[in-house]
Amino acid sequence: DSGVTQTPKHLITATGQRVTLRCSPRSGDLSVYWYQQSLDQGLQFLIQYYNGEERAKGNILERFSAQQFPDLHSELNLSSLELGDSALYFCASSPYLGGYTFGSGTRLTVV
Amino acid sequence: AQKITQTQPGMFVQEKEAVTLDCTYDTSDQSYGLFWYKQPSSGEMIFLIYQGSYDEQNATEGRYSLNFQKARKSANLVISASQLGDSAMYFCAMREGYNTDKLIFGTGTRLQVFP
Repeated sequence: DSGVTQTPKHLITATGQRVTLRCSPRSGDLSVYWYQQSLDQGLQFLIQYYNGEERAKGNILERFSAQQFPDLHSELNLSSLELGDSALYFCASSPYLGGYTFGSGTRLTVV
Repeated sequence: AQKITQTQPGMFVQEKEAVTLDCTYDTSDQSYGLFWYKQPSSGEMIFLIYQGSYDEQNATEGRYSLNFQKARKSANLVISASQLGDSAMYFCAMREGYNTDKLIFGTGTRLQVFP
């Protein structure tokens, strides 16, 4: 157990739907990062939150949004889902400028 | 823009032999960090080793060592005494600077260890 918890582990949903992925960071870590891993795009950085505030944004679609709550857990919301959104979504956490710990990922399948 | 290049899509190595996985990077920043992660077929990302740009010695962690050549902008991972359980995808990643601490990943190398 890495200490970073992601739920659910698997998700199957239909095109056009909306889903929420959840991440609980390792205890004491203030930063949460979201990554998307797909076969054609590899590992892509989506967004980072630090202590509740958005800190950096990567290749995140407008249909996607995220937030970090006061208890530091984070949610990634994916809406109007398309087949191409099928991927493994990782959350990672770190203390400020520290090492990164990854969760086990949420495998999203859009059918 | 920062970039990580892994030119070996796949590598084979016999058990107990050493193997080197290549990684080159491109950055204009003086301060950066380089990471290697292992991703087995189960999907999780496992941290292996870290090298800071100002570290004078090559990083080592058990059977893993990082061959850091700053002038050539390379950070190759060396796995000694390969084991069957080392079969996995290996990703090189970079964190650039102090204010932008996201990781940028390479495309990965699939390592297969055979008996």
